[in-house]
Amino acid sequence: AQSVTQLGSHVSVSEGALVLLRCNYSSSVPPYLFWYVQYPNQGLQLLLKYTTGATLVKGINGFEAEFKKSETSFHLTKPSAHMSDAAEYFCAVSAGGTSYGKLTFGQGTILTVHP
Amino acid sequence: DTAVSQTPKYLVTQMGNDKSIKCEQNLGHDTMYWYKQDSKKFLKIMFSYNNKELIINETVPNRFSPKSPDKAHLNLHINSLELGDSAVYFCASSLLGGAGTHNEQFFGPGTRLTVL
Repeated sequence: AQSVTQLGSHVSVSEGALVLLRCNYSSSVPPYLFWYVQYPNQGLQLLLKYTTGATLVKGINGFEAEFKKSETSFHLTKPSAHMSDAAEYFCAVSAGGTSYGKLTFGQGTILTVHP
Repeated sequence: DTAVSQTPKYLVTQMGNDKSIKCEQNLGHDTMYWYKQDSKKFLKIMFSYNNKELIINETVPNRFSPKSPDKAHLNLHINSLELGDSAVYFCASSLLGGAGTHNEQFFGPGTRLTVL
């Protein structure tokens, strides 16, 4: 079984500051990990994903995340926040090819960016 | 040229009614999903179909019945609606892929269901 915990339901940063959104997972098999972003009144959009290989993955809009197996973490970062980054972010885990694509989501983190 | 579309976008109805939500994808994907996002924004999978065959069926009341007439469509029918069914329902699609793969799921814009 898989589960995801996102630490902090709300994160607030200044424009230009570092963005750090925390995600810890639990999985009985090697996990596939994802970050999705949801803008108000819209569906989810994939930011980045980790399946195998390089543990530092880069996504769209300047975001990146690092898979740390020893810490069971997959934190999302962006060096410099932009006003347009304000949205809700969801971390998700999948059991890979055995799961028929089933995603288990965290509870989401709302990112606020202020001038 | 919308990739994953859902109708209606908003649905307001009375308790006890039966309603349907439709989903269509034009991406050529073979797998479609229904997710429920509750008032606390918690997102949970309900069902998934691959080539019209049910492959994921989470613990969902049997008042919810998905139907996939073809692999481009996945509809969700809900009988005897209850207050707790109020949520945003998202449809998604992907290529299922083989073992050891996970292809991106593309989400529709959501259907906000309000049960009064």
